[in-house]
Amino acid sequence: AQSVTQPDIHITVSEGASLELRCNYSYGATPYLFWYVQSPGQGLQLLLKYFSGDTLVQGIKGFEAEFKRSQSSFNLRKPSVHWSDAAEYFCAVSGNQFYFGTGTSLTVIP
Amino acid sequence: DAGITQSPRHKVTETGTPVTLRCHQTENHRYMYWYRQDPGHGLRLIHYSYGVKDTDKGEVSDGYSVSRSKTEDFLLTLESATSSQTSVYFCAITTGTGYNEQFFGPGTRLTVL
Repeated sequence: AQSVTQPDIHITVSEGASLELRCNYSYGATPYLFWYVQSPGQGLQLLLKYFSGDTLVQGIKGFEAEFKRSQSSFNLRKPSVHWSDAAEYFCAVSGNQFYFGTGTSLTVIP
Repeated sequence: DAGITQSPRHKVTETGTPVTLRCHQTENHRYMYWYRQDPGHGLRLIHYSYGVKDTDKGEVSDGYSVSRSKTEDFLLTLESATSSQTSVYFCAITTGTGYNEQFFGPGTRLTVL
């Protein structure tokens, strides 16, 4: 069965610090993987996606993610966090359906 | 912007009443989805559609029905609303095949008293 695990419910970082949000997936074949961001009261916006090829993918707003098949992971990173990055982040895997993780809430402190 | 609108954006209703939420898209995408979002659960799939009159159940379909009589509209009906259906409901579409990234509407906040 497909599933996505985001082990960190909430993360707090200082503005300017680096960020890594963890995502582990379970899927039998090569997965299609996604990261979405949701600001309060808003819908979900696609940050980046991995279908195949280069395992390091670049997204919008300075985010990147690395697919590691051996670890079944697709972690999201940003080298320097801005206050506007405070939001909820969701990892998702696509197979016969889309499966979302439960999300990681990011707080950015000045 | 995938041209997705949802209506209403907010609704308060009472237990036992029927409720219909509408999702409208302007770009003739084949696949459409309804999710509910609850704290601690992320997004969970209720129903989806892969064409006019073609729908299927998702993970949490009990108490919900859907209809798609036109490509652009996907309706979600709560046949007899319960307090456990208080949630934020999101519609989504996929471009191309069903495996591609999904694009989301702005959401409908439903409160069942």
